[in-house]
Amino acid sequence: EPEVTQTPSHQVTQMGQEVILRCVPISNHLYFYWYRQILGQKVEFLVSFYNNEISEKSEIFDDQFSVERPDGSNFTLKIRSTKLEDSAMYFCASLEGRWNSPLHFGNGTRLTVT
Amino acid sequence: AQTVTQSQPEMSVQEAETVTLSCTYDTSESDYYLFWYKQPPSRQMILVIRQEAYKQQNATENRFSVNFQKAAKSFSLKISDSQLGDAAMYFCAYRSVLNYGGSQGNLIFGKGTKLSVKP
Repeated sequence: EPEVTQTPSHQVTQMGQEVILRCVPISNHLYFYWYRQILGQKVEFLVSFYNNEISEKSEIFDDQFSVERPDGSNFTLKIRSTKLEDSAMYFCASLEGRWNSPLHFGNGTRLTVT
Repeated sequence: AQTVTQSQPEMSVQEAETVTLSCTYDTSESDYYLFWYKQPPSRQMILVIRQEAYKQQNATENRFSVNFQKAAKSFSLKISDSQLGDAAMYFCAYRSVLNYGGSQGNLIFGKGTKLSVKP
C-alpha cells in the first residue's frame, strides 16, 4: 500500500538555525498537510496545501514557517529560525481528494531544538 | 469553529476485556466525518476507524466499533477483546466535508486518551 514518507526521522538543531523537513506524499493525492505535536499534547494543524498554494493555515503557522512543493513529489516544511518551543513531532499527511477519503499520515519527524 | 473533546486522559483495560473511549464534538455543520486514530509509542498516526455523519449505521472494523450519536454529538470507540498491542494514545478527530474554495479537509483533533492494557 502506498505510504507517506518523511525524512529525517529525527532532527536536532540549534536555536536560530533553519531546518527543512521533507515529505513525499502519496503520488495521486491532491491535498497536503503539516501537523505538529508537542510532546504529551494534542496534534495541531499547521497548514494545508492544494493546487500549489497554501489553502489554510493556523495561527501557529507564522512568518517563520513556509511550505513548498518544489518538484511535484516532495512537500517541505521550512522553519527559518528555530526556537526552543518548536521542538515537537511534525507530521506530514496527504489526502486523495475523494469526498470520503481519509488523511494518510507519515511516520513523523521528531525535531529537537537545543 | 469545530471542537473535539476527549474527557478521559487515561483509561485502562484488562487483556481480552472491552473498553469504550469517549469523544464529543461541537459543530454547526450537518455533514462531516469523524475518525479515530491510534498513536503507539512509535508515534505513528494510524487510522483505526471512520464514520460519515450522514450514515446512521455505526462503523465497525474487526474488534473496533463506534457508537455514533449525531444528535448528542458523541462518537465513542469500543475496543473488544483488548490485546496488548492496543496500548496507545487514541485520538478522536473531526473533518468537514471537502469543499473546493472552502474546507480543505483539515482534521481537528481531541487531546487524546492514553489506553493501557493489562496482561
